[in-house]
Amino acid sequence: ETGVTQTPRHLVMGMTNKKSLKCEQHLGHNAMYWYKQSAKKPLELMFVYSLEERVENNSVPSRFSPECPNSSHLFLHLHTLQPEDSALYLCASSHRTGASYEQYFGPGTRLTVT
Amino acid sequence: GEDVEQSLFLSVREGDSSVINCTYTDSSSTYLYWYKQEPGAGLQLLTYIFSNMDMKQDQRLTVLLNKKDKHLSLRIADTQTGDSAIYFCAESILRNAGNMLTFGGGTRLMVKP
Repeated sequence: ETGVTQTPRHLVMGMTNKKSLKCEQHLGHNAMYWYKQSAKKPLELMFVYSLEERVENNSVPSRFSPECPNSSHLFLHLHTLQPEDSALYLCASSHRTGASYEQYFGPGTRLTVT
Repeated sequence: GEDVEQSLFLSVREGDSSVINCTYTDSSSTYLYWYKQEPGAGLQLLTYIFSNMDMKQDQRLTVLLNKKDKHLSLRIADTQTGDSAIYFCAESILRNAGNMLTFGGGTRLMVKP
């Protein structure tokens, strides 16, 4: 247990569905991250929130919409996804953004788009 | 470009040493990291090294950094079956939000009894 939880752990959705992934951290951290891990590419940073403000949007398609209502919760809203969006989506948190601050990862949500 | 490269696969026998190698591209990286991912789990930080160091040892783990060649390695002494996992190298890249991590593709370590 790293103190970062993600729900659901597995999700299957059609291309016309709308769903949301949830991440919660119990570590008192101020920065939260979404990563995408797919079989064919290295781990990709998608979004970074620092003190609930989005500070990094790494050229992610608009069908992915993040939301950070407070420093403990992070959501990834999904709509009209494509099959190539099937991947493991990992959430992480750290005390602050910056290389010296360790990122703690959740177990991920395995997403399959049919 | 921001490429961190690792070999895909390594197989060793239990009790042997494992050496996982990584090359990175950004000479301004301040920290370099090794993460471990076990099946069905997220990434766990194993160790990191500051760029002005050549070596760091932490129990069974030894990290070697060659800044001139931009080469990083992780040595696991007395490798155990529980060390079987995917190991990711990562470098820190300066972005708008500060230093962010860029990961390699991961090396799958298989430890045979």
